[in-house]
Amino acid sequence: DAGVIQSPRHEVTEMGQEVTLRCKPISGHDYLFWYRQTMMRGLELLIYFNNNVPIDDSGMPEDRFSAKMPNASFSTLKIQPSEPRDSAVYFCASSPEGKSSTDTQYFGPGTRLTVL
Amino acid sequence: GQQLNQSPQSMFIQEGEDVSMNCTSSSIFNTWLWYKQDPGEGPVLLIALYKAGELTSNGRLTAQFGITRKDSFLNISASIPSDVGIYFCAGQRQGAQKLVFGQGTRLTINP
Repeated sequence: DAGVIQSPRHEVTEMGQEVTLRCKPISGHDYLFWYRQTMMRGLELLIYFNNNVPIDDSGMPEDRFSAKMPNASFSTLKIQPSEPRDSAVYFCASSPEGKSSTDTQYFGPGTRLTVL
Repeated sequence: GQQLNQSPQSMFIQEGEDVSMNCTSSSIFNTWLWYKQDPGEGPVLLIALYKAGELTSNGRLTAQFGITRKDSFLNISASIPSDVGIYFCAGQRQGAQKLVFGQGTRLTINP
């Protein structure tokens, strides 16, 4: 089975530009998570969705960040306008409904974002 | 955000040595997870623990869920070069989907 797919794998942009990160979760998974990883702060949960509905966006840094999940197989994380401090690796993860003890999160390969 | 206290932050060992790392928390978790992250990749689940006191093995890896439900450890026996990477613990509360992550332990193996 294909795992979580993220694109692009690397993104270099200039400050002020709009950035869109994309994620395709594992088919059949009901939950989708967006994380940010930096050396200083480690892995931080930004937002997660259940059945395409945002459940908790308390980790979204500020209004420049927005996330959508228009259908069960696709989600985007958008930063507009981007700033150098947004440079990080952004991970998408998905998990099935928690009905068994083996349900947990599976991570994508990440998008390394550099904002110049 | 809230993080688990994971230690050590880094380890430099010789190939063949055993490795031990742990995570502690001030609050209870119902599930403990251990992930490994290779350079340029996302974290990959190694072991999941669901019951206090549970001891689970996965090849050369052994992890335990502390009796108090506030800690967990991961041991790697007879380390090999491919064990190099960053190991993360994560805790999950009952009924919650959110994971709380430790800061990671960076494992380096000297040839």
